[in-house]
Amino acid sequence: KAGVTQTPRYLIKTRGQQVTLSCSPISGHRSVSWYQQTPGQGLQFLFEYFSETQRNKGNFPGRFSGRQFSNSRSEMNVSTLELGDSALYLCASSLAPLAGRSGGEETQYFGPGTRLLVL
Amino acid sequence: AQKVTQAQTEISVVEKEDVTLDCVYETRDTTYYLFWYKQPPSGELVFLIRRNSFDEQNEISGRYSWNFQKSTSSFNFTITASQVVDSAVYFCALSEMGGSGNTGKLIFGQGTTLQVKP
Repeated sequence: KAGVTQTPRYLIKTRGQQVTLSCSPISGHRSVSWYQQTPGQGLQFLFEYFSETQRNKGNFPGRFSGRQFSNSRSEMNVSTLELGDSALYLCASSLAPLAGRSGGEETQYFGPGTRLLVL
Repeated sequence: AQKVTQAQTEISVVEKEDVTLDCVYETRDTTYYLFWYKQPPSGELVFLIRRNSFDEQNEISGRYSWNFQKSTSSFNFTITASQVVDSAVYFCALSEMGGSGNTGKLIFGQGTTLQVKP
């Protein structure tokens, strides 16, 4: 099975612009989560989607948004980019949501990430 | 509040040495999962193991072993006979299941960078 894929892999933007990142989960996985990784803050949870519904959201400003499509693919959008948004954005997919207590189906598998640089 | 602490920021060993990566967690939930992930320089987080709070059995997978102790809230990871390919950043993570309002996400430690020298 193909793993989680993320596009683009690298991105350079300037302050004030907006960006859309894409994530295709492992085939059959319906849950997608997004995480931001920075040297200062480490890995932080952004959102979790399951069956096109946002189930959980992390402590990020409203400039960060996301959505999930009927084929489970997900996108996240960051508007009005700031220098501090420079980070590695990781997408993870699982068969079931993390809180689902499905006995293993909620294990998250990560993609290679999108490295965003904001100048 | 939930928290994961990996006190070792960096560890350097020589190939074939054994090394233990420490992980201490805090949670008020009685039901939770613990994970270890490996992040090589390519950036992708590679899943290593998942353990639920009701299963304190230690696990061994090849050169990898994990020691889960609820009494000390620790979930330590040992690599036996380390190899250069083990060089990576290792993350311990917690996922709460008990309805504390913090479910549905992985809470990561800060990571431990392991360097295995030939």
